[in-house]
Amino acid sequence: GQNIDQPTEMTATEGAIVQINCTYQTSGFNGLFWYQQHAGEAPTFLSYNVLDGLEEKGRFSSFLSRSKGYSYLLLKELQMKDSASYLCAVRDSNYQLIWGAGTKLIIKP
Amino acid sequence: SQTIHQWPATLVQPVGSPLSLECTVEGTSNPNLYWYRQAAGRGLQLLFYSVGIGQISSEVPQNLSASRPQDRQFILSSKKLLLSDSGFYLCAWSVSGSEAGELFFGEGSRLTVL
Repeated sequence: GQNIDQPTEMTATEGAIVQINCTYQTSGFNGLFWYQQHAGEAPTFLSYNVLDGLEEKGRFSSFLSRSKGYSYLLLKELQMKDSASYLCAVRDSNYQLIWGAGTKLIIKP
Repeated sequence: SQTIHQWPATLVQPVGSPLSLECTVEGTSNPNLYWYRQAAGRGLQLLFYSVGIGQISSEVPQNLSASRPQDRQFILSSKKLLLSDSGFYLCAWSVSGSEAGELFFGEGSRLTVL
């Protein structure tokens, strides 16, 4: 079966750095997405990785290792507004998105 | 710019009643359209997707149905709701022909079946 694993919940301090991991086992691979979802709202797109390596976009970076079936989302200079759930999703060989359950990130002052 | 809008935002329905959620996309043509359901503590579950008018693919057998009467309109329906239909429903679109493109989500509709 296909599976996406990410921690259920993480806590970090305002101004710090946090890394949210995602491991996947899927039938093929055609890209990995990270989305941010605030409570009660729709997910919004953060990043897309299809090749190995690090993609940086402002305070957020996303890393991919296809050989390890592994990705992480790195958030720097954490702000209170970063408190949200972060969803990892992988597009399989049929171009269907397989979603993780999300990681709830709690930012403390 | 492209926008997506779905409604209603919240609704409370009795078991056995019908359901209709509507989604429209503006600013693009022939989008791929999707209906997802999100349950607490679980990943997004794809319910239906459509690559064109009248073309609907169902991912999960259930008492829900979807229709695409117009290019940028996607409707999720049920004739008789079950308690298990409660959840957060999300409509999304992606660029047609761009298989690796990201999804853009509507605001979501929270359904409570009592």
